[in-house]
Amino acid sequence: SQQGEEDPQALSIQEGENATMNCSYKTSINNLQWYRQNSGRGLVHLILIRSNEREKHSGRLRVTLDTSKKSSSLLITASRAADTASYFCATVDDSWGKLQFGAGTQVVVTP
Amino acid sequence: KAGVTQTPRYLIKTRGQQVTLSCSPISGHRSVSWYQQTPGQGLQFLFEYFSETQRNKGNFPGRFSGRQFSNSRSEMNVSTLELGDSALYLCASRTGAGETQYFGPGTRLLVL
Repeated sequence: SQQGEEDPQALSIQEGENATMNCSYKTSINNLQWYRQNSGRGLVHLILIRSNEREKHSGRLRVTLDTSKKSSSLLITASRAADTASYFCATVDDSWGKLQFGAGTQVVVTP
Repeated sequence: KAGVTQTPRYLIKTRGQQVTLSCSPISGHRSVSWYQQTPGQGLQFLFEYFSETQRNKGNFPGRFSGRQFSNSRSEMNVSTLELGDSALYLCASRTGAGETQYFGPGTRLLVL
């Protein structure tokens, strides 16, 4: 069974707009990671946020984590056509735990 | 540093055959994990190896097995292939506990 659930399932935006997607999970976690996947290729790691962190930034990406609500969000600012991809959140329940993925959010950025 | 590499990239097999997939982790990474991705089930964990020992195993039948060598390279084997084994098989490596997992490009397996 999947731990995380992303919302929305799909998102279509224009270049320059911001894209926000959310991830909810069920059990306590050690960390939460966001990945991007282009057209059935490998997963590209975006950000890891640990359970004692509330917000992290990496370039145009901003991730927040609210452990009390068991939720995380990924914000992509000033989106580009190259950001078109599927985005997955994955939780890890303890330091040696496996990645438990959600179903992903498909993002389409049109020029 | 070179990333995670997987061979072969594409594979076509028939039902009942067996297949071996290979994964070379990032240099210095001693942990290798395997995941299966299908349209219906999404991304599911198969197993993880660290220093040649299986640390964690997912909920897959015994037809799925793996191993890790002393140089940290890993192989996974699927015996008696079924149509439902058609999937993208992804390998990931990390230095150790609690660290980021970096994925390879995957091996796409088609079972006919």
